[in-house]
Amino acid sequence: QQQVKQSPQSLIVQKGGISIINCAYENTAFDYFPWYQQFPGKGPALLIAIRPDVSEKKEGRFTISFNKSAKQFSLHIMDSQPGDSATYFCAVGSAGTASKLTFGTGTRLQVTL
Amino acid sequence: NAGVTQTPKFQVLKTGQSMTLQCAQDMNHNSMYWYRQDPGMGLRLIYYSASEGTTDKGEVPNGYNVSRLNKREFSLRLESAAPSQTSVYFCASSNRGRDTEAFFGQGTRLTVV
Repeated sequence: QQQVKQSPQSLIVQKGGISIINCAYENTAFDYFPWYQQFPGKGPALLIAIRPDVSEKKEGRFTISFNKSAKQFSLHIMDSQPGDSATYFCAVGSAGTASKLTFGTGTRLQVTL
Repeated sequence: NAGVTQTPKFQVLKTGQSMTLQCAQDMNHNSMYWYRQDPGMGLRLIYYSASEGTTDKGEVPNGYNVSRLNKREFSLRLESAAPSQTSVYFCASSNRGRDTEAFFGQGTRLTVV
């Protein structure tokens, strides 16, 4: 049973464009929704995270949009740059469970010139 | 800052051999985790340790054992390696509580032939 469904699997965006990656979850007990960025040969690193008490969080060019009723959240990368080319993972977690996360299957983003 | 250090970075095993993957963190984190990453499947939790002296199974624990040696170190052991355990293994650590970022190591690429 897949607790987090992530789409698309891969994405090609032109430089300056908007990249959008979506995730849907099942369990309403989740209350922590981070996005991780992973470059080849490296471990994932936290990019941005949101709690369900807000509908949007922005950090620079990266924005999380959260829809609690639909149990969906998405990552928007504005003005995408070649340096953003990486694999992005959404994840879900809940307080009081040792902060262990359940990850989506990942989206490979390629930003072309 | 070393962060989370994993050894070895690469390993090739024959079916049936055993080995231990080492992980150490220098951030004084309470919680530590072992994930495996396979193409198209994201990161899946193998075992985690909420605090020194405790360990619990994650999503895919079969074929693995762990030891939380002290607050800094968390090792993963494969007693009898199988080709299905060919994967990239990541160790991570975090503090307990809300909005806790998980910090990942660089990974161990394991091939079982």
